[in-house]
Amino acid sequence: AQRVTQPEKLLSVFKGAPVELKCNYSYSGSPELFWYVQYSRQRLQLLLRHISRESIKGFTADLNKGETSFHLKKPFAQEEDSAMYYCALRESSYKLIFGSGTRLLVRP
Amino acid sequence: EADIYQTPRYLVIGTGKKITLECSQTMGHDKMYWYQQDPGMELHLIHYSYGVNSTEKGDLSSESTVSRIRTEHFPLTLESARPSHTSQYLCAAGGPNTEAFFGQGTRLTVV
Repeated sequence: AQRVTQPEKLLSVFKGAPVELKCNYSYSGSPELFWYVQYSRQRLQLLLRHISRESIKGFTADLNKGETSFHLKKPFAQEEDSAMYYCALRESSYKLIFGSGTRLLVRP
Repeated sequence: EADIYQTPRYLVIGTGKKITLECSQTMGHDKMYWYQQDPGMELHLIHYSYGVNSTEKGDLSSESTVSRIRTEHFPLTLESARPSHTSQYLCAAGGPNTEAFFGQGTRLTVV
């Protein structure tokens, strides 16, 4: 079955430290992967998608098909990055499968 | 402004009551979704719709039902609420090859 795994429920780092939020997936086809973010008291929103190969708010994510991973990275964390981050896999044209999320806490 | 709206944001209701969670979008997207999320857990797809008069059940079995009479409206109904229905319900909309846009969610508590 298709699955998205985020092994860390909580990741705590100090401001300025590098951040890596892990995401592994299982999918038999060609995957389309996303990172969503939810800031406190805000709705879930798209952060980035792998097909765009873009950097948003300093975050990047590279799809590694060999390791079936799509880890989210940022070289220098900021306090405003504190949020819940969800990795998601598009299984078909309509269905998004989400991981359980990782709470990132950036301490001053 | 193009957006997706969910009402109510919070609902506390007694066991056995019938409830309808509203979801409306002004984005013009054909596809709409309902996800259920327990605290600290992943989002589970419970219903989706390709367009008007199209509704399908998602991966997570749910006692709720949905309807899609108009493109912009995708309400979710529980005929008889139970404490096990306590959860957060997220509505989303999307078009072909676009990401899902989420509403603010409805946090339901059944007492």
